Amino acid sequence: ERQLVESGGGLVQPGRSLRLSCAASGFAFDDYAMYWVRQPPGKGLEWVSFIGWNGDNKDYADSVKGRFTISRDNAKKSLYLQMNSLRPEDTAFYYCAKEVGGNAFWYLDLWGRGTLVTVSS
Amino acid sequence: DIQMTQSPSSLSASVGDRVTITCRASQSISRYLNWYQHKPGTAPKVLVYAASSLPSGVPSRFSGSGSGTDFSLTISGLQSEDFATYYCQQTFSSPSTFGQGTKVDMK
Repeated sequence: ERQLVESGGGLVQPGRSLRLSCAASGFAFDDYAMYWVRQPPGKGLEWVSFIGWNGDNKDYADSVKGRFTISRDNAKKSLYLQMNSLRPEDTAFYYCAKEVGGNAFWYLDLWGRGTLVTVSS
Repeated sequence: DIQMTQSPSSLSASVGDRVTITCRASQSISRYLNWYQHKPGTAPKVLVYAASSLPSGVPSRFSGSGSGTDFSLTISGLQSEDFATYYCQQTFSSPSTFGQGTKVDMK
């Protein structure tokens, strides 16, 4: 069964750091680009970051650029999000998701159930 | 950034109803439009990609249409498992952006 499982969320004070992980199983992880998408409580979905299949290509939403770093370890079939200088507005459920479609009509065909990050003093 | 606006924000419907949700882009996005279903505490699920294509395993009661700036998702014969929040997503340009969501609940 194809699966993505996020971990690492929790309560953190403003200005501190947190590292999220996403464990993949049931598919060839190193063949696909991966994403982080977040959902603040009661609000809609927001794309956070993207990483290409080999880690060479990365992109970030303006709201997290310079603070968050995406990475992956294909040998461990894992995706990561290092979040520094956290702000209250970063409070959200964070989902990892797998892309399919490449450079054409791509979409996110597999998502995890999310991990909650709460930034508060 | 391209803004995606869904309407309505919420709607109430009954099992068996035909439900249509619309999504408007702030500029033309061709057919680079996806639809997702999300239930609380679960993983979001893709329903439609490229405006009107259904991934394998998605029931045929779901359909998508549109191009340019105006798109719609239709559920023909709402089932109990379809009560959820639906999001559109544009992948025409980076950053990819989502609509604010449409919550479908039971009348």
